[in-house]
Amino acid sequence: EDKVVQSPLSLVVHEGDTVTLNCSYEVTNFRSLLWYKQEKKAPTFLFMLTSSGIEKKSGRLSSILDKKELFSILNITATQTGDSAIYLCAVEAIAGGTSYGKLTFGQGTILTVHP
Amino acid sequence: DVKVTQSSRYLVKRTGEKVFLECVQDMDHENMFWYRQDPGLGLRLIYFSYDVKMKEKGDIPEGYSVSREKKERFSLILESASTNQTSMYLCASSPGLAALQQYFGPGTRLTVT
Repeated sequence: EDKVVQSPLSLVVHEGDTVTLNCSYEVTNFRSLLWYKQEKKAPTFLFMLTSSGIEKKSGRLSSILDKKELFSILNITATQTGDSAIYLCAVEAIAGGTSYGKLTFGQGTILTVHP
Repeated sequence: DVKVTQSSRYLVKRTGEKVFLECVQDMDHENMFWYRQDPGLGLRLIYFSYDVKMKEKGDIPEGYSVSREKKERFSLILESASTNQTSMYLCASSPGLAALQQYFGPGTRLTVT
């Protein structure tokens, strides 16, 4: 059974701090790892990672994948109150030649940024 | 702009009722998904569909069924609602055979009393 574990489950920081969120996985036939941000409602896409060691970056957010050690990290620098959200990690695995886009999600990390 | 809509934001039903949750996407996506989200458990896949009239069980299909009669619409059915089905239900869609990003609807918070 595919498994995705995120840590920490919750985190409280102050504005300006840097945070690192972790995602480890155990899946058969890994294809990709995705990060989402969820505020009040629908999760929104942040990154998709398929190759080890290549950093994806968007503003103050960055993410990297280690396929040998089976984990990914999401870094947020100079945090702002608007970064407060649940951060979700998900992994796509291939079964029978295709995945149909099926994802297995971790529990999520609840990030709270205080002014 | 990409859009996934769900029929209700909040729903309160009684134990034993039949419940329909509707999801519509306007992106001509092949794949559609139903998840439930509970604190500490993340998103868990209930069912997904990769084509009209096609459906596959996810990780927690018990107590649920689905229907996909048209490409843009994917319905989740609770045949006889129970209190342990109180949850946030999220619908998502994605194109093609790979996990290009999934687009999520706003969610339906279902309470079963």
